[in-house]
Amino acid sequence: QVQLVESGGGVVQPGGSLRLSCAASGFTFSTYAMHWVRQAPGRGLEWLAVILKDGRTTREFYTDSVQGRFTISRDNSHNTLSLQMDNLRPDDTGLYYCVRDAVDTHMANWFDPWGQGTLVTVSS
Amino acid sequence: ENVLTQSPATVSLSPGERATLSCRASRSVGSTYLTWYQQKPGQAPRLLIYAISERAAGVPDRFSGSGSGTDFTLTITRLEPEDFAVYYCQQHASWPITFGGGSKVEV
Repeated sequence: QVQLVESGGGVVQPGGSLRLSCAASGFTFSTYAMHWVRQAPGRGLEWLAVILKDGRTTREFYTDSVQGRFTISRDNSHNTLSLQMDNLRPDDTGLYYCVRDAVDTHMANWFDPWGQGTLVTVSS
Repeated sequence: ENVLTQSPATVSLSPGERATLSCRASRSVGSTYLTWYQQKPGQAPRLLIYAISERAAGVPDRFSGSGSGTDFTLTITRLEPEDFAVYYCQQHASWPITFGGGSKVEV
């Protein structure tokens, strides 16, 4: 079955960096857009970024709050999604979900399924 | 960005009752680009309804979605014990993709 397993979360000081990974299995990873969504403790959901790689063309979009600080990437040969997070701030604290786009071959931009998340804490 | 406002923030109901949850967008999302998710404590969200009114695989028919433009509704007829959860709407008509703040259905 489809499985998304995040890793790489932890505690980091403000201004620091962290790299999250998501191991995907159970589907043809290369044909799906992949997203990162986060949830601050006790709060709602915030979409962060999406990536779709179609042959030699890569399309990425980010929400404003992470644009220029976070970089989404993927390795289709290893079925892995990544999120490089730089210049982290306390309000970046939260549970980070790796999420598959629900429809293959293009950005439908609704989500199914979700991973279980990896926790990032930004604190001094 | 397109801001989604969900109401009520919390509603207290009993099993067997009907839940009506609202999602209002600051700009039109058209007739397709609205999705609903369910999240239970300690779990990741789960896709519930897509394209405003289409139930995802395995979702019981007591869940239904409706609306268009800027006003949308998720209805749960005859609440079951497993339906007590938080429900989020999400729009993908424009960038950035945005979620509502959630509606909690509690006993």
